[in-house]
Amino acid sequence: RKEVEQDPGPFNVPEGATVAFNCTYSNSASQSFFWYRQDCRKEPKLLMSVYSSGNEDGRFTAQLNRASQYISLLIRDSKLSDSATYLCVVLNTNAGKSTFGDGTTLTVKP
Amino acid sequence: EAQVTQNPRYLITVTGKKLTVTCSQNMNHEYMSWYRQDPGLGLRQIYYSMNVEVTDKGDVPEGYKVSRKEKRNFPLILESPSPNQTSLYFCASSPLAGATYNEQFFGPGTRLTVL
Repeated sequence: RKEVEQDPGPFNVPEGATVAFNCTYSNSASQSFFWYRQDCRKEPKLLMSVYSSGNEDGRFTAQLNRASQYISLLIRDSKLSDSATYLCVVLNTNAGKSTFGDGTTLTVKP
Repeated sequence: EAQVTQNPRYLITVTGKKLTVTCSQNMNHEYMSWYRQDPGLGLRQIYYSMNVEVTDKGDVPEGYKVSRKEKRNFPLILESPSPNQTSLYFCASSPLAGATYNEQFFGPGTRLTVL
């Protein structure tokens, strides 16, 4: 079993749709959680960190469930520009080890 | 401009010919890391460094070496490249090793082909 598993996708949604991605992790020692965005094999860029209490940034909401060991990303009112691959990242802060999920590809269509 | 740079950006080489991919950051970051990305897969960590002279293996270290002699540079060395090391490589850095919410800043990537 992979240490970090994501919905494989792809997700194809119309503009304005709400879409949710899930990610599960197996290492309970994991301490920090993130969602990164990657466009067309370019470098990943931080979308948002995921805090224990959940957090929101505009149309994006991230949630963490430590008991069930999963994180989620909700995108509301999808835009064409949201088309990208979304990578779930789990960090063991003390050890410095960083584990990425395989990514979920989102395509938003007009 | 704050950035992570990698060189070369593209490289085609042959099996067994030693090569080095350089990575440099100008942000005084403590933490640096190397990843490889293969089609359909996320990034897999090769090596990382929590500070100068401190390096550790990631998930896929076989066939690679690194060094961290100074804070800004973290070169990736392939002593004897093989075709299964054909991949897209990313270098990344973070401000503080051990901090809980540590954004990683990535370089533009190096596309390596080993024939």
